Amino acid sequence: AQSVAQPEDQVNVAEGNPLTVKCTYSVSGNPYLFWYVQYPNRGLQFLLKYITGDNLVKGSYGFEAEFNKSQTSFHLKKPSALVSDSALYFCAVRDRGGASSNTGKLIFGQGTTLQVKP
Amino acid sequence: NAGVTQTPKFRVLKTGQSMTLLCAQDMNHEYMYWYRQDPGMGLRLIHYSVGEGTTAKGEVPDGYNVSRLKKQNFLLGLESAAPSQTSVYFCASSFSRGIQETQYFGPGTRLLVL
Repeated sequence: AQSVAQPEDQVNVAEGNPLTVKCTYSVSGNPYLFWYVQYPNRGLQFLLKYITGDNLVKGSYGFEAEFNKSQTSFHLKKPSALVSDSALYFCAVRDRGGASSNTGKLIFGQGTTLQVKP
Repeated sequence: NAGVTQTPKFRVLKTGQSMTLLCAQDMNHEYMYWYRQDPGMGLRLIHYSVGEGTTAKGEVPDGYNVSRLKKQNFLLGLESAAPSQTSVYFCASSFSRGIQETQYFGPGTRLLVL
């Protein structure tokens, strides 16, 4: 079974400093990984995804993520954090069950709250 | 493009009342999903649809029904609301169920059942 884990419930960063939100994965076959962000009282917004190719994936709002196959990680990064980046971040992988049981649902990590202080 | 929209944004129900949540997408996506988000439990799949006229159960389908009469709309119904259904409901859609495909989410509906 595939899964993703986010080891930190909360990450605190000062504005202007680099930020990292961690994600590790366990999947069979090639991993296809996603990051979503949820701002307070809002829906989930797609940030970026890793399919194949370059291990550094660039996404929306200046975010990027680094895929590391040997460490089975897909950490989200940003060189300079903004207060407006404060939100809940989810790492996810799509279900790849058997042909008769594949819902295509997203399997989410538990989420990491990012707090960026001025 | 509006993407994925949901109505209503917020609703308060009394136990036993019924309601329908509407999800609409304008991206011509085949697949649509209803999730619920609860503290400490992440997002769980309620029902999903692989195309117009088809629906299937997800992880937590009890107490909910769905319909997909038109490709762009996916309705979630609560026939007799219970306090355990207090949650935030998200609709999502994608072109296919392919593991590479991105799911796009609506803004959510907050439901409080008293």
